[in-house]
Amino acid sequence: RKEVEQDPGPFNVPEGATVAFNCTYSNSASQSFFWYRQDCRKEPKLLMSVYSSGNEDGRFTAQLNRASQYISLLIRDSKLSDSATYLCVVNMDSSYKLIFGSGTRLLVRP
Amino acid sequence: EPEVTQTPSHQVTQMGQEVILRCVPISNHLYFYWYRQILGQKVEFLVSFYNNEISEKSEIFDDQFSVERPDGSNFTLKIRSTKLEDSAMYFCASLTGRTGAKNIQYFGAGTRLSVL
Repeated sequence: RKEVEQDPGPFNVPEGATVAFNCTYSNSASQSFFWYRQDCRKEPKLLMSVYSSGNEDGRFTAQLNRASQYISLLIRDSKLSDSATYLCVVNMDSSYKLIFGSGTRLLVRP
Repeated sequence: EPEVTQTPSHQVTQMGQEVILRCVPISNHLYFYWYRQILGQKVEFLVSFYNNEISEKSEIFDDQFSVERPDGSNFTLKIRSTKLEDSAMYFCASLTGRTGAKNIQYFGAGTRLSVL
């Protein structure tokens, strides 16, 4: 089983749409959870950390369910500039190394 | 805003040659990392470095790879004898690691290594 699993997409949505991404992780000892965004041939950039209580940052809402080992990201009112690959990322030990999912590609069309 | 810088942005080398990829982490960060991303694949952890030594390494990080922090600011990744399959983007990252701080890793823009 993959350590971090995501639907690869692509998700092709019109501007203004709401889109949800899901992710599961295999190691119950995982400690911290993140969504990163990666544009083509660029470095991963932190979008948001994910907390058990759920957290929101503008149009973005992240949820964590530790019991199900499931993480989600909701994007409301999609913009063209949201087009990117969204990476589900966990870390699970004292070295803080990050384990990446393969990413979910989002295409927002006019 | 402080950032992680990597040089060169693109390195082309012949198979069997040694390459050194350079990174300047964010100053006052304590943990440093190298990751790689083969084209079309996911980002993979290579090695973490803390307190002047490797704290963890992956199966990918074999004897051909080494890391060094020679002067307190640079953090380098050396590949001794490059193979075709080493062609990838190599990302450096750093994390503050200080008590009470958020454990967020910041990534450099990457070095694209092309082995011919």
